[in-house]
Amino acid sequence: NAGVTQTPKFQVLKTGQSMTLQCAQDMNHNSMYWYRQDPGMGLRLIYYSASEGTTDKGEVPNGYNVSRLNKREFSLRLESAAPSQTSVYFCASSGSSVGALSPLHFGNGTRLTVT
Amino acid sequence: QKEVEQNSGPLSVPEGAIASLNCTYSDRGSQSFFWYRQYSGKSPELIMFIYSNGDKEDGRFTAQLNKASQYVSLLIRDSQPSDSATYLCAVIDTGGFKTIFGAGTRLFVKA
Repeated sequence: NAGVTQTPKFQVLKTGQSMTLQCAQDMNHNSMYWYRQDPGMGLRLIYYSASEGTTDKGEVPNGYNVSRLNKREFSLRLESAAPSQTSVYFCASSGSSVGALSPLHFGNGTRLTVT
Repeated sequence: QKEVEQNSGPLSVPEGAIASLNCTYSDRGSQSFFWYRQYSGKSPELIMFIYSNGDKEDGRFTAQLNKASQYVSLLIRDSQPSDSATYLCAVIDTGGFKTIFGAGTRLFVKA
């Protein structure tokens, strides 16, 4: 089982460029998440999708858009990259549905640098 | 703003000692609490979860929860150099979908 797969692993962008981070899970999980991790700030939630067909903003959504393409795939798009978006991005999934409680399974991360 | 607070450390303990990691949270409606371990350059991995007040033990790890005090802790007994990592406290918020993380505590276990 691959679990949660993210691509790419590394990316360098110039300010103003756009890109899409891809994420897929093969665990039949309902919920998927995008986090960013910056030194000293832990993991901050950007967007999440509680189930196929729904997406919601997290703590730091500005500058990002997401698409829940199907139950397996959840992509994160930067329309116009800024240096403040330099970070490590993690996709995660969980089997939780309304009222249920389950841990997150993480992908290996994407290290993004915006110059 | 719902928050999860941890001492950033670093916490340094000798091999074989007990490491004690602490976490407080602000959302009284939270019901699920997790500890993740993250090695440098790697993704977080779950090591413990706890839902009820009291202690939960799994091998060398014990999670403790006190909902009245909004306090979660993780004890690591017989600490090993391989336990050196950042430990992230995480809480699922009242809505049940969003997992909120603390900034993490860096633990160093000296051989």
